Amino acid sequence: EPEVTQTPSHQVTQMGQEVILRCVPISNHLYFYWYRQILGQKVEFLVSFYNNEISEKSEIFDDQFSVERPDGSNFTLKIRSTKLEDSAMYFCASSGVWERLYEQYFGPGTRLTVT
Amino acid sequence: GIQVEQSPPDLILQEGANSTLRCNFSDSVNNLQWFHQNPWGQLINLFYIPSGTKQNGRLSATTVATERYSLLYISSSQTTDSGVYFCAGPNQAGTALIFGKGTTLSVSS
Repeated sequence: EPEVTQTPSHQVTQMGQEVILRCVPISNHLYFYWYRQILGQKVEFLVSFYNNEISEKSEIFDDQFSVERPDGSNFTLKIRSTKLEDSAMYFCASSGVWERLYEQYFGPGTRLTVT
Repeated sequence: GIQVEQSPPDLILQEGANSTLRCNFSDSVNNLQWFHQNPWGQLINLFYIPSGTKQNGRLSATTVATERYSLLYISSSQTTDSGVYFCAGPNQAGTALIFGKGTTLSVSS
């Protein structure tokens, strides 16, 4: 069964460093998303991406964040200068197949630890 | 945007018991999903259920869209059912999922 994959599974970085989280969405999906979950809290939407551009972003997704689909398969989230409060689990998701256009499938997540 | 409220926040069961988890949402939805977050943090799709009833093994879900709620039923619970159950509905634009705070289920043997 097709699935969303994410790398790395765990990333440790120092405050102020740039990180890039990578995702490979399900191949025939059209919509791509990033979410984050701070430990013990609910999952929060960051950004959605369709047709090579951002379709919506939350208040969390400020100028420190950017997304890119550099080729036909990868979808990346970049944090330019990490802060302690960026420590969280980051989930990539994808959706977009005919009548189940909005059913989102999530990857296993990347646990980001900022020290 | 939509508000998603889940209840109860915590649930402790003995193996073999049945349970019902509830999700209320503040506006009409065209997409409602239930997820199970396992102890490793993975979000597992359980149901895509904007309306009606679906069953998958010991789990079933019902969404009554006109009354803005959805229920997740777990029958004959097992220890592997432990984890956090989230429901999520779409934002106003339909471009994102808004999650509830989850129900933490602990099943003991």
